[in-house]
Amino acid sequence: EADIYQTPRYLVIGTGKKITLECSQTMGHDKMYWYQQDPGMELHLIHYSYGVNSTEKGDLSSESTVSRIRTEHFPLTLESARPSHTSQYLCASSEFGGGQIYGYTFGSGTRLTVV
Amino acid sequence: QKEVEQDPGPLSVPEGAIVSLNCTYSNSAFQYFMWYRQYSRKGPELLMYTYSSGNKEDGRFTAQVDKSSKYISLFIRDSQPSDSATYLCAMSVSGATNKLIFGTGTLLAVQP
Repeated sequence: EADIYQTPRYLVIGTGKKITLECSQTMGHDKMYWYQQDPGMELHLIHYSYGVNSTEKGDLSSESTVSRIRTEHFPLTLESARPSHTSQYLCASSEFGGGQIYGYTFGSGTRLTVV
Repeated sequence: QKEVEQDPGPLSVPEGAIVSLNCTYSNSAFQYFMWYRQYSRKGPELLMYTYSSGNKEDGRFTAQVDKSSKYISLFIRDSQPSDSATYLCAMSVSGATNKLIFGTGTLLAVQP
């Protein structure tokens, strides 16, 4: 079954550590996104990609970086985690083509806690 | 001012009630309107998707878009405890970026 997978689901790490949140999708979607979600707040776009070797920063300033070397893989890296990075991170993908906008398929998220 | 406003709730209703969830927006360029449902500890899942103004029905769910008022609604008929979740509206301007702007979500609890 086509889906989008995020690992790990939960992560508790110390300040200053480098971490990579993994996101993979099996649907062959060109577009992929990373959102940050805090309780009671709207989802904020932090990174997106239109395809391989294409990455853009989103609307919310973020100290993270992303890469898109393969269509199916869109990892997010924090070089030095801080308590302010504590949040839920959601990865999503969507199709692209013909000027049509399609709904996103979301992963289950990674709940990150930096202590 | 946020581009998309959504009452965070919580909204508590008895089983079988009709639920009305709403969002308002300020950007008249929005053309695509979506509703997502998010269960606790899960990612959002697409529930309804409408283009421009009008109604769309899918089973117990009806989505309405009123572009003149910049107002969208999601109605749930015969609500069930399994409908208890956070409902997020989302919208996008037509174009290649497909960047969605989300509301904060409304937490719905359907009491058995």
